[in-house]
Formats: sequence, structure tokens, C-alpha cells
Amino acid sequence: DAGITQSPRYKITETGRQVTLMCHQTWSHSYMFWYRQDLGHGLRLIYYSAAADITDKGEVPDGYVVSRSKTENFPLTLESATRSQTSVYFCASSESTSGRTDTQYFGPGTRLTVL
Amino acid sequence: AQSVTQLGSHVSVSEGALVLLRCNYSSSVPPYLFWYVQYPNQGLQLLLKYTSAATLVKGINGFEAEFKKSETSFHLTKPSAHMSDAAEYFCAVSPTGRRALTFGSGTRLQVQP
Repeated sequence: DAGITQSPRYKITETGRQVTLMCHQTWSHSYMFWYRQDLGHGLRLIYYSAAADITDKGEVPDGYVVSRSKTENFPLTLESATRSQTSVYFCASSESTSGRTDTQYFGPGTRLTVL
Repeated sequence: AQSVTQLGSHVSVSEGALVLLRCNYSSSVPPYLFWYVQYPNQGLQLLLKYTSAATLVKGINGFEAEFKKSETSFHLTKPSAHMSDAAEYFCAVSPTGRRALTFGSGTRLQVQP
């Protein structure tokens, strides 16, 4: 009954380091998403995936890389972290049964601080 | 491009008072609209969604929203606020051609005793 989980929940890193945020869902949902949440901006889409091995860019993809080799996992990698990437990152998933009206289910978030 | 605008980044009400959180959308095609709630240190949870079946949509925890095409609005209401309603609320639209959501900037609801 885990649903959608994210790890780590909190991460502090330094500028220039590579960081990977993990996302795992147990529902076998087709779609998965990565958003970042910043004050005054709501949530903005970084990347999304329609299925294993299918990914596409969102609004703010620069500096991020994703992969999806398995349906249940959707890791997000910051190749060389910058201070502007300090944010709260949310992973979400949804089925593909109703198209644009599908509900998205969110993980608890990862708070990332880049020093 | 489809977007939503939430008027008021902070709203404060007294316990038992009406809650009204405003959301206006911009869309040239019929939109699909959502309200999500975020409690402190948690992810987002769906409150309700408009899928064109009915203009008045009832959600969880006593919330409801009315889709008004003439006003391009989808405001969230609750007749009587509870302390447990204190949270951040996000309006979102599902753009055509993409499954991801476009979110408003959020409204933080404070409930005073």
C-alpha cells in the first residue's frame, strides 16, 4: 500500500555535484511527472513520461535528466547542481484511462538545498 | 496556451466562516480544471475536478467549485471553515495535447480560531 514514494526526503548538496532524486510508484501507472515547487510559481513541470523508455520535456527541463527503464521508477538527475535548483521536487503519477481528466497522485516531495 | 490565475496568495478566514478561493482560467478550448490541496510538508491531494459533466463539482472535505464559462472562473468554496482546512490550495488546468498539469501560484488559507 506504498503508493508513490520519493527518496531522499531531504538533501543538501554543493554546487557542481550530481544529485539523483528517486521516485517509485506501486500502481503501475503509465504516466509519471516531475515538478518543482518554488514560492510564487506554484508547481512547474520539469519532465514527464508516458511509459517506460518514453520521456519528454516540460516547462523547465534545463539542467535535469530523466530516465524510465521500468514503469515503476522515474529518477530525476541534476547533472551539475546549481543554487537556482534549490527547490522542493514532487513526483506524480497517473493512469491513462481518461486522458486529460486523469487524476495525478503526488509523492511527499524532496526538499533539495544546493549550497 | 492554457493557464490559470489564482487571485490572492494569502486568504485568512475565521473558523465557521465561508471560504472562497478564486481561480480564473485562460483557454480557447473547453478546459479541464482541478483543485489540489497541500498540507504542510506533504504532497498534493486532489480536492475535486471539472470534466464538463456538471458545472457544480463537489469534492472532499465539504469543498465545492462551480465552473462559470461566462466568467472564465472555477472558484473553490466551503460554507464553514474548519481549523483543519488550513493549507495551500492550487488550481490547475490540463492543457490540450499534454497530460501534465499547469498550476496556479497557489493560495495559502489561514483559519483563525
